[in-house]
Amino acid sequence: LAKTTQPISMDSYEGQEVNITCSHNNIATNDYITWYQQFPSQGPRFIIQGYKTKVTNEVASLFIPADRKSSTLSLPRVSLSDTAVYYCLVGDPFSNDYKLSFGAGTTVTVRA
Amino acid sequence: NAGVTQTPKFRVLKTGQSMTLLCAQDMNHEYMYWYRQDPGMGLRLIHYSVGEGTTAKGEVPDGYNVSRLKKQNFLLGLESAAPSQTSVYFCASSYSTGDSVYEQYFGPGTRLTVT
Repeated sequence: LAKTTQPISMDSYEGQEVNITCSHNNIATNDYITWYQQFPSQGPRFIIQGYKTKVTNEVASLFIPADRKSSTLSLPRVSLSDTAVYYCLVGDPFSNDYKLSFGAGTTVTVRA
Repeated sequence: NAGVTQTPKFRVLKTGQSMTLLCAQDMNHEYMYWYRQDPGMGLRLIHYSVGEGTTAKGEVPDGYNVSRLKKQNFLLGLESAAPSQTSVYFCASSYSTGDSVYEQYFGPGTRLTVT
């Protein structure tokens, strides 16, 4: 499993854009990059997944440079309810034993 | 459609006791997973299953056993509980084929305390 490195914590204010960068230097050719969100006392929830370039959905955007050794999750105009832990994961969803490794994640705190 | 459910939600065990955690999913997913999460840490994979009747070890399998007799159920067993197994346990499932995104769906968790 590819090792990922992301900041331990980030602070922001309501209405701002939050960008969380994840490093994954040993990402394999078939690996995808996936981000999950976890609120206290709940299981993680899928946010977005991508392989290269840019992916956008109604919640976030994911930017992946050409070398794929890092990725950036962008949360536009955050609100207090976006306060959570965000995990960056790397893995091959097409392998026969697909599994993911969750690191410590990034705790994002949004203040009023 | 209940998604992923876990039974029980809370449990207190004494050292040496045994118990089984039940995970059920109604999405016809092939893959199922058991994780544990300790305070301030991310999730660590205990065991997982890529289909009915198959299981495999994850990162921290010692002290746990699993079974996947039915596609919709994944059981996690503790034969002799230890205080080090005090944790929150999450079950997840995902689909394994097709062009869709391979997201994992998580259950609400089981909070286990071993005294």
